[in-house]
Parts: sequence; C-alpha cells; structure tokens
Amino acid sequence: EVQLVESGGGLVQPGGSLRLSCAASGFTFSSYAMNWVRQAPGKGLEWVSAISGSGDITYYTDSVKGRFTFSRDNSKNTLYLQMNSLRAEDTAVYYCAKAMSIAAAGTCFDCWGQGTLVTVSS
Amino acid sequence: DIQMTQSPSTLSASVGDRVTITCRASQSISSWLAWYQQKPGKAPKLLIYKASSLESGVPSRFSGSGSGTEFTLTISSLQPDDFATYYCQQYNSYLTFGGGTKVEIK
Repeated sequence: EVQLVESGGGLVQPGGSLRLSCAASGFTFSSYAMNWVRQAPGKGLEWVSAISGSGDITYYTDSVKGRFTFSRDNSKNTLYLQMNSLRAEDTAVYYCAKAMSIAAAGTCFDCWGQGTLVTVSS
Repeated sequence: DIQMTQSPSTLSASVGDRVTITCRASQSISSWLAWYQQKPGKAPKLLIYKASSLESGVPSRFSGSGSGTEFTLTISSLQPDDFATYYCQQYNSYLTFGGGTKVEIK
C-alpha cells in the first residue's frame, strides 16, 4: 500500500524557517516525481513545488521561488521542503503528493499524504 | 499562467441526482486535466485523469469529458458519500487547480 506521511509542521514567526519531511513507502520511490501542494485555511488547493524522480529537476510556484527548496533522498525514501523567509500567507496545510510519472512536469497526483499544518504568526 | 475556472462554486443536490461540474481553462490544455474529491479535514483523492480516464477503485458513476478548454465532471447518481468539494487541475503547463465546487445536500 502506498503511504505518504508528512511531518515538521508547526508555528513559526514571520521571517523564520521550517523544514517539512515526507516519508514514502509502498512503491519504488525513485521512479516517481513528487510534489508539495498547500491549502490555506478554508481555501482551495495551490501547487507549490515539484521534483523529478532523480531529484535533478525542480519547479516552484512564483510565490515561493528563492525561499523554498525541495529535495529528496532516494536512499531514505524521504522528501524535504526547506522553507525560509516565511510569511503569513504561507500559512496552510502542506500535502506531499505522488505523481503518476517520473517526470516533474506534466503529471497529476495519484496519492496524497494526510498533510501537516504550517502556521506563520507572531 | 493557465487559469482554471470551475462552476458552479456551490451546488445543492439530492441523493440520486445527476450532477455536472464544469471546468474551463484560459488556454488549450489538450486532455491534461484531472479531477479530485476532497472531504473536510482529508487529503484530496484522484477521481479522473487525462480528462476521462477513471482512476482505479473509483466508482463508475463518476465520469469526465472534454478537451481543449472545456471539461466536465459528471456524477450519474449522487450518493451520500459524494457530498464533498471537487477540484479540477490542469497539468499541461506547470500545475493549476480550479477554485473548487462544493456539492451540498439539498
């Protein structure tokens, strides 16, 4: 069974940093691109970032470019989202999501984690 | 950037109703469209990919159609478990979600 388990969320002050993790199991991890999608309280879904199966290609939505870094460790079946210079508008539940292909672009998501809440507030 | 517009934003329906949700893209996305269902406090679940392909395990009362810029998700006979919010997503160029359609009990 495919499982994705996020961790690392919490309360952080504006300008602070946080690192999210996503532990994957039940599939050949390096064969699939992975993504982060967030959902602000009471709002819709927003794609944040994608990484190819090998980890050599990443994409980011404009609002997080230069602040967030998406990486993966295929030996540990784990994803990481390093979030720096956090803003109030980054407050959301962050989901990791498995792509249907190895390519970082041009794919939808067939499995999602349960999400981890990030709150940016003073 | 490709914008995705869903309509309606809220839909009131009864068990057994046929329900249709529309998603429009700001430019052609061929058939690179997915539909997700999300229930409160839960992660989204993939229903349809490539506009009309049913994800494994999803009931056959769900169907998708369309290509280019206009797409529909149809639930042929609404069941109690189907009351949820539905999102479309384009994956032709980067990734964009529609604003969501909440299906409520009438």
